[in-house]
Amino acid sequence: GESVGLHLPTLSVQEGDNSIINCAYSNSASDYFIWYKQESGKGPQFIIDIRSNMDKRQGQRVTVLLNKTVKHLSLQIAATQPGDSAVYFCAENWGGGADGLTFGKGTHLIIQP
Amino acid sequence: DAGVIQSPRHEVTEMGQEVTLRCKPISGHNSLFWYRQTMMRGLELLIYFNNNVPIDDSGMPEDRFSAKMPNASFSTLKIQPSEPRDSAVYFCASSSTGPDTQYFGPGTRLTVL
Repeated sequence: GESVGLHLPTLSVQEGDNSIINCAYSNSASDYFIWYKQESGKGPQFIIDIRSNMDKRQGQRVTVLLNKTVKHLSLQIAATQPGDSAVYFCAENWGGGADGLTFGKGTHLIIQP
Repeated sequence: DAGVIQSPRHEVTEMGQEVTLRCKPISGHNSLFWYRQTMMRGLELLIYFNNNVPIDDSGMPEDRFSAKMPNASFSTLKIQPSEPRDSAVYFCASSSTGPDTQYFGPGTRLTVL
C-alpha cells in the first residue's frame, strides 16, 4: 500500500485471519529490504528482511515475498492477533555502498475482534 | 542488550532555542543513523555514520542541523536555532556495517513552539 500525504492506507482484518500488506518500492537497484512494525509512541521494530537474491523468506508467522520484476514487496502475517495492530513500513536499501534506508509511507493494520 | 537508547524522550522548546538530542547505539554496532518522522513526510534519513565517521549527510535539511559522533557509544543531533517546522519525532538507529538490520531507539518527540 502506498499513501499520499496524511492518509495512510488501512487494512482491517478479523482476528485469526491472514493479512497481506503490500509495498511498491522505488529503486530497481535496491538490494536489501526490511519490514518494520511501529506501534503508537514507539520506534520501528524489525520484523523480517530479505536480500535481492531471494524471492521469499519465512519467519515466525510472517513471510516476505519479493518480486523484482515489478518492484513489489509483500508481508504476509498468518493468524493475526490483536498485538499485530500497528503501522507497517517497508524499507529498501539502494545499494551502491550506502547503508541508509528509504521508507515507504506505511500501512495501518487493524485487527477486528 | 539494552537496545538503542535515546534522550530525552520528549523535548518542548521555544523557537530560536538550541536543541540537542542524544543517542547511545547498541554495543558492537558500527553504523549509526538519525531519522526524522513526520505525518507529512514519513520517515526520512538525515545522516548516518560508519565507524564514527559521517558518511552521508544529504538528508540534513539545512545548516541549522548538525550531528556528531565523538566515539562508538555516543552521538548527538543538534538543531540551532530551532524552528516550529522542526517539530517531529527523531529516531536513532544502529546496525552492523551493512546494509544490515537497523535497530531503532524509542525516539525523541520534539515540539518547537
